[in-house]
Amino acid sequence: KQEVTQIPAALSVPEGENLVLNCSFTDSAIYNLQWFRQDPGKGLTSLLLIQSSQREQTSGRLNASLDKSSGRSTLYIAASQPGDSATYLCAIQGGSEKLVFGKGTKLTVNP
Amino acid sequence: AAGVIQSPRHLIKEKRETATLKCYPIPRHDTVYWYQQGPGQDPQFLISFYEKMQSDKGSIPDRFSAQQFSDYHSELNMSSLELGDSALYFCASSLGLGLAVYNEQFFGPGTRLTVL
Repeated sequence: KQEVTQIPAALSVPEGENLVLNCSFTDSAIYNLQWFRQDPGKGLTSLLLIQSSQREQTSGRLNASLDKSSGRSTLYIAASQPGDSATYLCAIQGGSEKLVFGKGTKLTVNP
Repeated sequence: AAGVIQSPRHLIKEKRETATLKCYPIPRHDTVYWYQQGPGQDPQFLISFYEKMQSDKGSIPDRFSAQQFSDYHSELNMSSLELGDSALYFCASSLGLGLAVYNEQFFGPGTRLTVL
């Protein structure tokens, strides 16, 4: 059974700092990995999707990496802004197509 | 661009009542997924449909049922509601289950169900 762990559970940084969010998974037989952003009480916004054959994906100030063999992914956020404050969720899609989510990292960027 | 539409956005029910949640996928998407997110929890997969057939099932209570219609919209029916059913219910859609494994799922805004 796939298990997804995100560390840290919460992170508070000053504006402008670069930061890394971590995601680890137990079963390396994955199809893809998605990073989502969720604002309090709101829906899930897809940030980046990395296919199992890829090593990284970039979108603006975001860069996600994937190391299948070690069961790890990182989400790098450059030059953080207060508007980046949200919960970031990592989700794995395996053979059954459903997404298995981690519990998320709650990010606070202080002005 | 069109997104996944869910209705209603908010729903308040009493215990033992019935609720129906609706999901309209992105046009041309043929696969729908339902997830439940309890307070402070991560989303948990409930059930999915591809081309109107159930494709996968997660930890969905027997009190819940769902289907996908000919226009690809889906409905989640919840009966004998319990307090613990209070949660955000998300619908996601994707294209081409079984045809391409890299199916990015696009999520709707969710329906917040409160059971009193």
